[in-house]
Amino acid sequence: EDQVTQSPEALRLQEGESSSLNCSYTVSGLRGLFWYRQDPGKGPEFLFTLYSAGEEKEKERLKATLTKKESFLHITAPKPEDSATYLCAVQATSGTYKYIFGTGTRLKVLA
Amino acid sequence: NAGVTQTPKFRILKIGQSMTLQCAQDMNHNYMYWYRQDPGMGLKLIYYSVGAGITDKGEVPNGYNVSRSTTEDFPLRLELAAPSQTSVYFCASSLDGYNSPLHFGNGTRLTVT
Repeated sequence: EDQVTQSPEALRLQEGESSSLNCSYTVSGLRGLFWYRQDPGKGPEFLFTLYSAGEEKEKERLKATLTKKESFLHITAPKPEDSATYLCAVQATSGTYKYIFGTGTRLKVLA
Repeated sequence: NAGVTQTPKFRILKIGQSMTLQCAQDMNHNYMYWYRQDPGMGLKLIYYSVGAGITDKGEVPNGYNVSRSTTEDFPLRLELAAPSQTSVYFCASSLDGYNSPLHFGNGTRLTVT
């Protein structure tokens, strides 16, 4: 069964304290892995798509990487405005046009 | 830049009532989706559509119905609301369903009492 697991569930960082969020996945074949940011009361906002192992994408303080079994979202020198829930989703090559979501990591960055 | 628009933002229903959650997108996307988000459970797919006139069930379709008469609109119908349908509902769209990211609306928070 296709599955996505994110860890940790919640993370508190001091401003400037770098860390990483993990997304482990089990799919028959990976079509794409997606990272989203979700602020309270809002819909998820797209950040990155990764397609193959070894691929990396960057945006401001965020960097996403991909291996054959997991993806990391590295946050460098975070600021309070980076506080949000970060969601990971995968799309498998088998089946239909479905995206499988993890339960997210709630990040809180303290000033 | 409207993107995906959902209405209403909040709604309280009594058990047994019915309602329609509206979703419209202006990006000319063929693929549209309805998800529900419950605390600690992640996003679960209710229904999806690959184009006007074509819909299919997702993981949790029971108690819901959809229609897709135009490319832009994808309403979700709740018949005979139950407390288990208390959730936040998100509509999303994507360009082609393959490798394309989802674009989400800001959700409808529904409470059934």
